[in-house]
Amino acid sequence: AQSVTQLGSHVSVSEGALVLLRCNYSSSVPPYLFWYVQYPNQGLQLLLKYTTGATLVKGINGFEAEFKKSETSFHLTKPSAHMSDAAEYFCAVKGYQKVTFGTGTKLQVIP
Amino acid sequence: DAGITQSPRHKVTETGTPVTLRCHQTENHRYMYWYRQDPGHGLRLIHYSYGVKDTDKGEVSDGYSVSRSKTEDFLLTLESATSSQTSVYFCAISEPVGEPYEQYFGPGTRLTVT
Repeated sequence: AQSVTQLGSHVSVSEGALVLLRCNYSSSVPPYLFWYVQYPNQGLQLLLKYTTGATLVKGINGFEAEFKKSETSFHLTKPSAHMSDAAEYFCAVKGYQKVTFGTGTKLQVIP
Repeated sequence: DAGITQSPRHKVTETGTPVTLRCHQTENHRYMYWYRQDPGHGLRLIHYSYGVKDTDKGEVSDGYSVSRSKTEDFLLTLESATSSQTSVYFCAISEPVGEPYEQYFGPGTRLTVT
């Protein structure tokens, strides 16, 4: 079965600082991986996805993630945090007919 | 934005009563999902559907049933609500052809069981 582990349920960064949210996956087959973002009182929306091909994936709002098979990781980064990035972020991995989500990381951006 | 609506958006009910939540989509996507979101647990799959009248259980299906009689509607029923089912419920849709399991989410239903 596929699974993901998100390290750190809460992350705080200063505005303008690097954002790094960690995700490790477990999959018996080549994985399809996703990052979703959830703003307060809203549903989730897709930030970016990795299926095949280029291991550095760019998403919306300046976010990107790198697939590293040797480390079974798919960490999310953004060079410079903005106040509007404050939200909860979920890593997810595709399984058979469904997707398994991590427990989420809440990002706080400090002015 | 994907055309997904959930109703009701908020509901307070008493322990032991049945509750039905509705998810409606206008995207004609084949797959539909019900999740619950609780602090510390992320999103957990309750049930999903891979076509009209085709449904299967997720990881937290006890106490819940679903039905899908039309492509656009997916109903989640709490047969006899309990306080442990207080949660935020999200519906999602996906179309496995072209975009592999990329999911689009509804706005959520906040359910409180007293």
